[in-house]
Amino acid sequence: DVQMTQSLSYLAASPGESVSISCKASKSISNYLAWYQQKPGEAYKLLIYSGSTLQSGTPSRFSGSGSGTDFTLTIRSLEPEDFGLYYCQQYYEKPLTFGSGTKLEIK
Amino acid sequence: QVQLKESGPGLVQPSETLSLTCTVSGFSLTSYSVSWVRQPSGKGPEWMGRMWYDGDTAYNSALKSRLSISRDTSKNQVFLKMNSLQTDDTGTYYCTRDRVNYYSGDFAYWGQGTLVTVSS
Repeated sequence: DVQMTQSLSYLAASPGESVSISCKASKSISNYLAWYQQKPGEAYKLLIYSGSTLQSGTPSRFSGSGSGTDFTLTIRSLEPEDFGLYYCQQYYEKPLTFGSGTKLEIK
Repeated sequence: QVQLKESGPGLVQPSETLSLTCTVSGFSLTSYSVSWVRQPSGKGPEWMGRMWYDGDTAYNSALKSRLSISRDTSKNQVFLKMNSLQTDDTGTYYCTRDRVNYYSGDFAYWGQGTLVTVSS
């Protein structure tokens, strides 16, 4: 199975700052990488797919980069509503696998 | 408007069988694949398996011996059955829909999830 590692489990930043969340795959997954946001009481939200393509409705302050094994989700100019958990997921091969998550707290 | 809603018992006895239903609306099960994903509290999600748009199924090999996914297209429902439940099967169970028709592998739509507790 492809292991997805999000090395940072917790991150705190202030509104207006920029943050980056990393995700590393245990083997090359090309760009078959998605990013999700999970907030309490809300359904998961797909933010980015194919490593860098914004899903419809995702604010432009979100961006994704990377290919192969190393990926990054960047949020520019943080808004208070950006708090929550962020997960990466590979869909290069079965079983589809997710990272363990990075919790973003707004200071 | 695409919607998915999970239903089923909140409490299951150890060694018994879990049965969950995902009722969908706003799209056709014959055009989109639906997956089941679960998440133990405080951990990352785990993909369990999928019902392909054509009726075929795929399973996570870690669960394959215990898991069965089926559907009723006339009722717009996808079913999950998993036997021999243990306490580490406790978590929130979600059904999800692929972003695009037929297959994409990423999930643009998720249900709200249903909490399943395995306990005597």
